[in-house]
Amino acid sequence: DVKVTQSSRYLVKRTGEKVFLECVQDMDHENMFWYRQDPGLGLRLIYFSYDVKMKEKGDIPEGYSVSREKKERFSLILESASTNQTSMYLCASSFGQGAYNEQFFGPGTRLTVL
Amino acid sequence: GESVGLHLPTLSVQEGDNSIINCAYSNSASDYFIWYKQESGKGPQFIIDIRSNMDKRQGQRVTVLLNKTVKHLSLQIAATQPGDSAVYFCAEPRGDSNYQLIWGAGTKLIIKP
Repeated sequence: DVKVTQSSRYLVKRTGEKVFLECVQDMDHENMFWYRQDPGLGLRLIYFSYDVKMKEKGDIPEGYSVSREKKERFSLILESASTNQTSMYLCASSFGQGAYNEQFFGPGTRLTVL
Repeated sequence: GESVGLHLPTLSVQEGDNSIINCAYSNSASDYFIWYKQESGKGPQFIIDIRSNMDKRQGQRVTVLLNKTVKHLSLQIAATQPGDSAVYFCAEPRGDSNYQLIWGAGTKLIIKP
């Protein structure tokens, strides 16, 4: 059974803190994605990676960075958390051309920044 | 610019009836469309996809219809069950990327007993 896991389901942080969100997939997928989900806005892509150590900006990369040191792991970093980064964060993985293949999602991390 | 939009944010359907969830897109060159289902507390899950050279594709209890003339696609769920309660998203590849999707805002499907 395919699996994408995220390090936390719920996280509460303070403004200015550095926040790490971890995602691990066990499907040997080349591609990994970080999305942000806000009500009425659908899913917005923050960053994606198509290979180890490779990363590409998505639609809303400002205030975020990512790291992919191993194929199975993709980390999202909030360098200095702000209240407008309070959101649901979803990680996904896929193989091949990511937009033309099924993306497998983790359960999400609900981040609250106070 | 490209956009994928949904006509209704919430849809209430009687259990056992058929559900129809609609989605409009603006890029006439789009060649692939996908539907995802997101249940409460979970990440989105792939339901069905369709390529632009098709008008219709059927899965188990679900059918996707594509009308390229009016740039509209719909997801039909037959004999809606309580387990169909979820938010449904349509998505399409962004025209300038093989990796990025444009997601609709989502339609919440509510099943009435």
